Amino acid sequence: DTGVSQDPRHKITKRGQNVTFRCDPISEHNRLYWYRQTLGQGPEFLTYFQNEAQLEKSRLLSDRFSAERPKGSFSTLEIQRTEQGDSAMYLCASSLPEKNTGELFFGEGSRLTVL
Amino acid sequence: RKEVEQDPGPFNVPEGATVAFNCTYSNSASQSFFWYRQDCRKEPKLLMSVYSSGNEDGRFTAQLNRASQYISLLIRDSKLSDSATYLCVVNSYTGGFKTIFGAGTRLFVKA
Repeated sequence: DTGVSQDPRHKITKRGQNVTFRCDPISEHNRLYWYRQTLGQGPEFLTYFQNEAQLEKSRLLSDRFSAERPKGSFSTLEIQRTEQGDSAMYLCASSLPEKNTGELFFGEGSRLTVL
Repeated sequence: RKEVEQDPGPFNVPEGATVAFNCTYSNSASQSFFWYRQDCRKEPKLLMSVYSSGNEDGRFTAQLNRASQYISLLIRDSKLSDSATYLCVVNSYTGGFKTIFGAGTRLFVKA
């Protein structure tokens, strides 16, 4: 399967713990995006990378959220000192803008539950 | 005001009905527009791009009105398999690139 993969698919943690999610994009895609989705809402844009450069991070929800893409391939999203309000589905997507279709390819998401 | 706003739904329609979804966006500098479909507990997937000239893909027709900052999706002869959430999506390049999703409109097609 050469689609976008995310790990873990499910994470249950206690409030105050740190969690990290990993995303492996489609291999030739140079753009990678992170979104958060809560029940009944559309995906909420968090940040995106062009290769290893994080070009937009003003939408990260707080300074507890950080993302990296050190080698321009996989990315991690870390949430420090988790709160119950962080419970959501975290979606990763990738794209190849040079194809000019604008299509984002999403992974199946990482569902976070904070107790 | 939300950047992308959609009909709140849900829409409950019988098979064979025609259903229209509406979407408005606030950033007049937005440059590209899409409809995505999301099935329950699945990831969003591209349904179609939206152009000012309008585009059609089988039973689906999408339209963009830049002057009104309005996007529409029309589904004709709806099928049970069309039941899903339809997400309006806007790409904006002002103040940095962003792909913004609407909250989605849920469609239930009944036999």
